[in-house]
Amino acid sequence: EMQLVESGGGLVQPGGSLRLSCAASGFTFSTYRMTWVRQTPGKGLEWVSYISSTGAPIYYADSVKGRFTISRDNAKNSLSLQMDSLRAEDTAVYYCARGYYTSALNAFDIWGQGTMVTVSS
Amino acid sequence: QSALTQPASVSGSPGQSITISCTGTSSDVGGYDFVSWYQQHPGKAPKLMIYDVSYRPSGVSNRFSGSKSGNTASLTISGLQAEDEADYYCSSYTSSSTRVVFGTGTKVTVL
Repeated sequence: EMQLVESGGGLVQPGGSLRLSCAASGFTFSTYRMTWVRQTPGKGLEWVSYISSTGAPIYYADSVKGRFTISRDNAKNSLSLQMDSLRAEDTAVYYCARGYYTSALNAFDIWGQGTMVTVSS
Repeated sequence: QSALTQPASVSGSPGQSITISCTGTSSDVGGYDFVSWYQQHPGKAPKLMIYDVSYRPSGVSNRFSGSKSGNTASLTISGLQAEDEADYYCSSYTSSSTRVVFGTGTKVTVL
């Protein structure tokens, strides 16, 4: 079964850091583009970051650029999101998602269950 | 980059057809054939229903169809069923530095 499992969420103070991980299984991770998407509780989806199958190129949403860093380890079938200088508005459920084979950057066919990040003092 | 505009809610009776609109600009929806649609049930992760404007991934019912005209994309659900009750989000590639934008979301209610 193709699966993505996120971990690393939790409560952090404003200005703090957190590192999210996403473990992939059931498919050849190294051949797929990956993305992080977040969802504010009770609200909509927001694209966060993208990484190609090889690790470059990488893209970020303007709202997280300079604060978040996406990376991947194809040998360990793992995707990460390092989040620094966290703000209250970063509070959300964070999903990792697999890019569908189409050329589009915005088609994601496999999603994890999500991990909650709460930024609060 | 602002979110794409969707109606907050759309409703229909079982068996009917409904259409959800997704309005953007020439920098996103109107400029590229890279519109996707997602279905999300409460407490669940989103599910890809349509990609590249009008293509269905394997396993998605052919009751779901997508189209685009100018800066507005649309998702049509025909033969509405109770299981279709969910939130729906559109997404588009954008030429802005934020490469991907989502819609505001639409709650579909089956009466």
